[in-house]
Amino acid sequence: EVQLVQSGAEVEKPGATVKISCKVSGYPFIDYYIHWVRQAPGKGLEWMGLVDPEDGETLFAQKFQGRVTLTADTSAKTVYLELSSLSSDDTALYFCARSPGSSGFLDHWGLGTLVSVSS
Amino acid sequence: IVLTQSPATLSLSPGERATLSCRASQRISTSLAWYQQKPGQPPRLLIYDASNRATGIPARFSGSGSGTDFTLTISTLEPEDFAVYYCQRRGNSWTFGQGTKVEIK
Repeated sequence: EVQLVQSGAEVEKPGATVKISCKVSGYPFIDYYIHWVRQAPGKGLEWMGLVDPEDGETLFAQKFQGRVTLTADTSAKTVYLELSSLSSDDTALYFCARSPGSSGFLDHWGLGTLVSVSS
Repeated sequence: IVLTQSPATLSLSPGERATLSCRASQRISTSLAWYQQKPGQPPRLLIYDASNRATGIPARFSGSGSGTDFTLTISTLEPEDFAVYYCQRRGNSWTFGQGTKVEIK
């Protein structure tokens, strides 16, 4: 069974950096991209970026370039998202999801990690 | 490339037909998917490559379109279909539309 298990909720102060994780199982880790999508309270879905676990290549939405780092640990079958310079606008539920490379769409999702930013 | 969904809200009764639109600001061939999201849940892939149903998706869901204009049709609304629907493009940025809420009339 394909599973994407995300780390627990985080509470951070403005200006801080948060690192959350997505551990996958049930399929070959390097065969699928991992995407990150966030959803602010009551708002729509916002695509942030992706990482190719096979070679570590990344692609980011322009809005997040320079502020987001995505890394893949093949031994742990885990992808990490690091978001810096947090502000209250970053308060959201962060989802990881997989796609079969660049030719497919997001067919399995994690349940989300809530990141709250407050002073 | 911006994806614009319409309408923002669709008020319908069970058994009715739902037609949702997604328009791209530039041509994207058939590189488009549709997702359904219910409260407290992650999105679920419904349609990929504009017209292909994902695994396990009922036949009442269908997608059409290419280029800039795309449509998701739910032929006969079931109670469990009332949710928010998003389109997404694939490419150098995997943008989402802003969503259409299908609510019970």
